Amino acid sequence: NAGVTQTPKFQVLKTGQSMTLQCAQDMNHNSMYWYRQDPGMGLRLIYYSASEGTTDKGEVPNGYNVSRLNKREFSLRLESAAPSQTSVYFCASSWSLGFNYGYTFGSGTRLTVV
Amino acid sequence: AQTVTQSQPEMSVQEAETVTLSCTYDTSESNYYLFWYKQPPSRQMILVIRQEAYKQQNATENRFSVNFQKAAKSFSLKISDSQLGDTAMYFCAFMLPFSGTYKYIFGTGTRLKVLA
Repeated sequence: NAGVTQTPKFQVLKTGQSMTLQCAQDMNHNSMYWYRQDPGMGLRLIYYSASEGTTDKGEVPNGYNVSRLNKREFSLRLESAAPSQTSVYFCASSWSLGFNYGYTFGSGTRLTVV
Repeated sequence: AQTVTQSQPEMSVQEAETVTLSCTYDTSESNYYLFWYKQPPSRQMILVIRQEAYKQQNATENRFSVNFQKAAKSFSLKISDSQLGDTAMYFCAFMLPFSGTYKYIFGTGTRLKVLA
Protein backbone atom coordinates (compact mmCIF):
# COMPACT_ATOMS: atom_id res chain seq x y z
CA ASN A 1 0.00 0.00 0.00
CA ALA A 2 1.24 3.50 -0.82
CA GLY A 3 2.22 5.59 2.15
CA VAL A 4 4.97 6.42 4.61
CA THR A 5 7.06 3.59 6.02
CA GLN A 6 9.11 3.97 9.17
CA THR A 7 11.68 1.59 10.60
CA PRO A 8 12.15 0.36 13.22
CA LYS A 9 8.79 0.34 15.01
CA PHE A 10 10.36 -0.04 18.44
CA GLN A 11 13.84 0.63 19.79
CA VAL A 12 15.53 0.71 23.17
CA LEU A 13 18.81 2.59 23.46
CA LYS A 14 21.24 3.17 26.26
CA THR A 15 22.18 6.74 27.10
CA GLY A 16 24.95 7.88 24.78
CA GLN A 17 24.22 5.39 22.00
CA SER A 18 23.46 6.55 18.50
CA MET A 19 20.90 5.41 15.99
CA THR A 20 19.14 6.40 12.81
CA LEU A 21 15.41 6.28 12.25
CA GLN A 22 14.49 5.57 8.66
CA CYS A 23 11.56 6.96 6.71
CA ALA A 24 10.52 6.36 3.12
CA GLN A 25 7.48 7.50 1.14
CA ASP A 26 6.28 6.24 -2.21
CA MET A 27 3.79 8.97 -3.09
CA ASN A 28 6.25 11.21 -4.94
CA HIS A 29 5.81 13.88 -2.26
CA ASN A 30 8.26 16.77 -2.24
CA SER A 31 8.23 17.64 1.46
CA MET A 32 8.98 15.46 4.44
CA TYR A 33 8.93 16.00 8.20
CA TRP A 34 9.95 14.50 11.50
CA TYR A 35 7.75 14.99 14.56
CA ARG A 36 7.95 13.70 18.09
CA GLN A 37 4.92 12.87 20.20
CA ASP A 38 5.14 13.15 23.96
CA PRO A 39 2.34 12.56 26.47
CA GLY A 40 0.39 15.72 27.18
CA MET A 41 2.26 17.71 24.53
CA GLY A 42 0.81 16.74 21.17
CA LEU A 43 3.22 16.54 18.22
CA ARG A 44 6.19 18.85 17.78
CA LEU A 45 8.22 19.45 14.63
CA ILE A 46 11.86 18.40 14.85
CA TYR A 47 13.15 18.92 11.29
CA TYR A 48 11.66 19.22 7.87
CA SER A 49 12.75 19.01 4.26
CA ALA A 50 10.98 21.21 1.75
CA SER A 51 12.40 19.30 -1.20
CA GLU A 52 15.19 16.93 -2.09
CA GLY A 53 18.50 18.45 -1.05
CA THR A 54 17.17 20.83 1.59
CA THR A 55 16.61 20.46 5.32
CA ASP A 56 15.67 22.93 8.04
CA LYS A 57 15.18 23.02 11.78
CA GLY A 58 11.76 22.87 13.32
CA GLU A 59 10.71 23.66 16.87
CA VAL A 60 12.81 21.11 18.77
CA PRO A 61 15.92 20.26 16.69
CA ASN A 62 18.51 19.99 19.47
CA GLY A 63 20.10 16.55 19.72
CA TYR A 64 19.03 15.49 16.23
CA ASN A 65 20.33 15.54 12.69
CA VAL A 66 18.59 14.65 9.46
CA SER A 67 19.45 13.60 5.94
CA ARG A 68 17.26 13.84 2.88
CA LEU A 69 18.92 10.99 1.02
CA ASN A 70 16.74 11.33 -2.07
CA LYS A 71 13.17 12.29 -2.82
CA ARG A 72 11.81 9.18 -1.12
CA GLU A 73 13.90 8.94 2.02
CA PHE A 74 14.35 11.20 5.04
CA SER A 75 16.30 9.88 8.02
CA LEU A 76 16.58 11.16 11.57
CA ARG A 77 19.75 10.56 13.56
CA LEU A 78 20.34 10.70 17.29
CA GLU A 79 24.09 11.04 17.78
CA SER A 80 24.15 10.59 21.55
CA ALA A 81 20.79 9.52 22.89
CA ALA A 82 19.47 11.02 26.13
CA PRO A 83 16.50 9.94 28.28
CA SER A 84 14.74 13.18 27.29
CA GLN A 85 14.57 11.80 23.75
CA THR A 86 12.30 8.98 24.84
CA SER A 87 9.27 9.55 22.66
CA VAL A 88 7.27 8.34 19.70
CA TYR A 89 8.70 9.65 16.45
CA PHE A 90 6.57 10.23 13.37
CA CYS A 91 7.67 10.84 9.84
CA ALA A 92 5.25 12.58 7.50
CA SER A 93 5.17 13.76 3.92
CA SER A 94 3.17 16.12 1.74
CA TRP A 95 3.11 17.47 -1.81
CA SER A 96 4.57 20.75 -0.65
CA LEU A 97 5.40 22.67 2.49
CA GLY A 98 2.32 23.51 4.42
CA PHE A 99 0.17 21.50 2.08
CA ASN A 100 -3.12 22.37 3.59
CA TYR A 101 -4.90 19.21 2.53
CA GLY A 102 -3.04 17.41 5.28
CA TYR A 103 0.02 15.31 5.63
CA THR A 104 0.47 11.55 5.33
CA PHE A 105 1.98 10.11 8.49
CA GLY A 106 3.88 6.91 9.13
CA SER A 107 3.01 4.55 11.96
CA GLY A 108 5.71 5.87 14.24
CA THR A 109 8.79 4.60 16.05
CA ARG A 110 8.57 4.16 19.80
CA LEU A 111 12.01 4.98 21.19
CA THR A 112 13.03 4.41 24.79
CA VAL A 113 16.35 5.70 26.08
CA VAL A 114 17.45 4.15 29.38
CA ALA B 1 0.95 32.03 22.23
CA GLN B 2 -0.37 29.64 19.63
CA THR B 3 -2.02 26.74 21.34
CA VAL B 4 -4.63 24.09 20.88
CA THR B 5 -6.65 22.87 23.83
CA GLN B 6 -8.62 19.66 23.96
CA SER B 7 -10.29 19.69 27.34
CA GLN B 8 -11.63 16.13 27.25
CA PRO B 9 -8.80 13.63 27.78
CA GLU B 10 -11.17 10.67 27.47
CA MET B 11 -14.69 10.09 26.21
CA SER B 12 -16.89 7.13 25.51
CA VAL B 13 -19.99 6.69 23.38
CA GLN B 14 -22.36 3.86 22.63
CA GLU B 15 -22.22 2.37 19.17
CA ALA B 16 -24.59 4.16 16.74
CA GLU B 17 -24.84 7.25 18.93
CA THR B 18 -23.42 10.71 18.32
CA VAL B 19 -20.47 12.24 20.13
CA THR B 20 -18.84 15.66 20.00
CA LEU B 21 -15.17 16.29 20.73
CA SER B 22 -14.19 19.78 21.79
CA CYS B 23 -11.27 21.86 20.60
CA THR B 24 -10.33 25.46 21.16
CA TYR B 25 -7.29 27.23 19.84
CA ASP B 26 -5.48 30.49 20.15
CA THR B 27 -3.71 32.34 17.37
CA SER B 28 -3.32 35.87 16.13
CA GLU B 29 -3.18 34.70 12.53
CA SER B 30 -6.17 35.41 10.33
CA ASN B 31 -5.59 32.73 7.74
CA TYR B 32 -4.99 29.16 8.81
CA TYR B 33 -6.26 25.65 8.36
CA LEU B 34 -7.80 23.39 10.95
CA PHE B 35 -7.68 19.62 11.06
CA TRP B 36 -8.84 16.63 12.99
CA TYR B 37 -6.58 13.60 12.90
CA LYS B 38 -7.40 10.12 14.17
CA GLN B 39 -4.77 7.87 15.71
CA PRO B 40 -5.99 4.28 16.13
CA PRO B 41 -4.01 1.68 18.10
CA SER B 42 -1.91 1.11 15.00
CA ARG B 43 -0.44 4.57 15.81
CA GLN B 44 -0.74 5.92 12.28
CA MET B 45 -2.17 9.44 12.15
CA ILE B 46 -5.06 9.58 9.71
CA LEU B 47 -6.65 12.78 8.47
CA VAL B 48 -10.35 12.85 9.32
CA ILE B 49 -11.46 16.31 8.21
CA ARG B 50 -10.09 19.76 7.44
CA GLN B 51 -11.50 23.28 7.53
CA GLU B 52 -10.24 26.47 5.96
CA ALA B 53 -10.49 29.35 8.40
CA TYR B 54 -11.73 31.78 5.76
CA LYS B 55 -14.70 29.56 4.96
CA GLN B 56 -17.78 29.99 7.09
CA GLN B 57 -19.40 26.77 5.95
CA ASN B 58 -18.66 23.87 8.25
CA ALA B 59 -16.83 20.94 6.67
CA THR B 60 -18.43 17.51 6.53
CA GLU B 61 -16.98 14.15 5.57
CA ASN B 62 -19.50 11.32 5.69
CA ARG B 63 -20.25 10.70 9.40
CA PHE B 64 -17.81 13.38 10.52
CA SER B 65 -18.61 17.06 10.68
CA VAL B 66 -17.22 20.11 12.41
CA ASN B 67 -18.69 23.10 14.17
CA PHE B 68 -16.31 25.93 13.40
CA GLN B 69 -16.79 29.13 15.37
CA LYS B 70 -14.00 31.46 14.27
CA ALA B 71 -14.78 34.30 16.65
CA ALA B 72 -14.82 31.91 19.57
CA LYS B 73 -11.79 30.02 18.19
CA SER B 74 -13.62 26.76 18.56
CA PHE B 75 -13.44 23.74 16.26
CA SER B 76 -15.40 20.77 17.54
CA LEU B 77 -15.77 17.41 15.81
CA LYS B 78 -19.07 15.58 15.68
CA ILE B 79 -19.13 11.88 14.93
CA SER B 80 -22.54 10.54 13.99
CA ASP B 81 -23.59 6.89 14.05
CA SER B 82 -20.44 5.96 15.95
CA GLN B 83 -18.79 2.69 14.97
CA LEU B 84 -16.40 0.44 16.85
CA GLY B 85 -13.71 1.35 14.35
CA ASP B 86 -13.92 4.96 15.50
CA THR B 87 -12.17 4.00 18.73
CA ALA B 88 -8.95 6.00 18.66
CA MET B 89 -7.14 9.09 19.88
CA TYR B 90 -8.35 12.21 18.12
CA PHE B 91 -6.09 15.20 17.68
CA CYS B 92 -7.18 18.68 16.79
CA ALA B 93 -4.57 20.76 14.97
CA PHE B 94 -4.11 23.92 12.99
CA MET B 95 -1.51 24.88 10.44
CA LEU B 96 0.04 28.30 10.24
CA PRO B 97 3.18 30.00 8.87
CA PHE B 98 6.45 29.25 10.67
CA SER B 99 9.90 30.57 9.67
CA GLY B 100 9.45 30.29 5.95
CA THR B 101 7.41 27.14 6.12
CA TYR B 102 4.34 26.00 7.94
CA LYS B 103 3.87 23.96 11.04
CA TYR B 104 1.15 22.13 12.77
CA ILE B 105 0.11 23.01 16.29
CA PHE B 106 -1.42 19.90 17.78
CA GLY B 107 -3.63 19.50 20.80
CA THR B 108 -2.94 16.82 23.38
CA GLY B 109 -5.67 14.54 22.13
CA THR B 110 -8.96 13.01 23.23
CA ARG B 111 -9.15 9.27 23.66
CA LEU B 112 -12.50 8.08 22.32
CA LYS B 113 -13.87 4.64 23.07
CA VAL B 114 -16.90 3.35 21.24
CA LEU B 115 -18.79 0.81 23.28
CA ALA B 116 -20.67 -2.14 21.79
